[in-house]
Amino acid sequence: DTGVSQDPRHKITKRGQNVTFRCDPISEHNRLYWYRQTLGQGPEFLTYFQNEAQLEKSRLLSDRFSAERPKGSFSTLEIQRTEQGDSAMYLCASRAGSEQFFGPGTRLTVL
Amino acid sequence: ILNVEQSPQSLHVQEGDSTNFTCSFPSSNFYALHWYRWETAKSPEALFVMTLNGDEKKKGRISATLNTKEGYSYLYIKGSQPEDSATYLCAFLSNFGNEKLTFGTGTRLTIIP
Repeated sequence: DTGVSQDPRHKITKRGQNVTFRCDPISEHNRLYWYRQTLGQGPEFLTYFQNEAQLEKSRLLSDRFSAERPKGSFSTLEIQRTEQGDSAMYLCASRAGSEQFFGPGTRLTVL
Repeated sequence: ILNVEQSPQSLHVQEGDSTNFTCSFPSSNFYALHWYRWETAKSPEALFVMTLNGDEKKKGRISATLNTKEGYSYLYIKGSQPEDSATYLCAFLSNFGNEKLTFGTGTRLTIIP
């Protein structure tokens, strides 16, 4: 257990529905990251926060995706109008120092 | 686009044998190279963060080396055990001042009892 938790662990949804995932980082970590892993690929960076400020967003993060970290603690990642191509493992990580500590991920399946 | 490659893609090793695999990354703009172990249904676990050319790090039976001039890192596992079965990921961090890790596709290791 790395101390980073994600909820839910699995989500099955129908195309067109909205989904929201939650990440709870290690409490003293001010940096929080979201990654996405699709089949056969390594995790790809989506976005990161320092405290509540979203400092960088990947081009992978289309307008249908939004991430928040309202009080600099937990974060949410919302996907609107899901598409089958959104099916992936969504990973969250937090950092203090040089290491990023990952959660177990949320596996999203869009039918 | 940063290219991080790992080989082999998958590997089957007899219990007790030693093994190694490779991560190659850009030799310019290097800041750090991370290694992770990712077991099914668990969180990726950090193994090493390597920053200096010629670095060698060790954690139990697992060790890693780093060559930043030629852009590669090796991960070694000595005397493989069934619990070593996992996907091993490397991730490159550039000195561009951003924070994102660029991952390879991983090496999937299966230890045969």
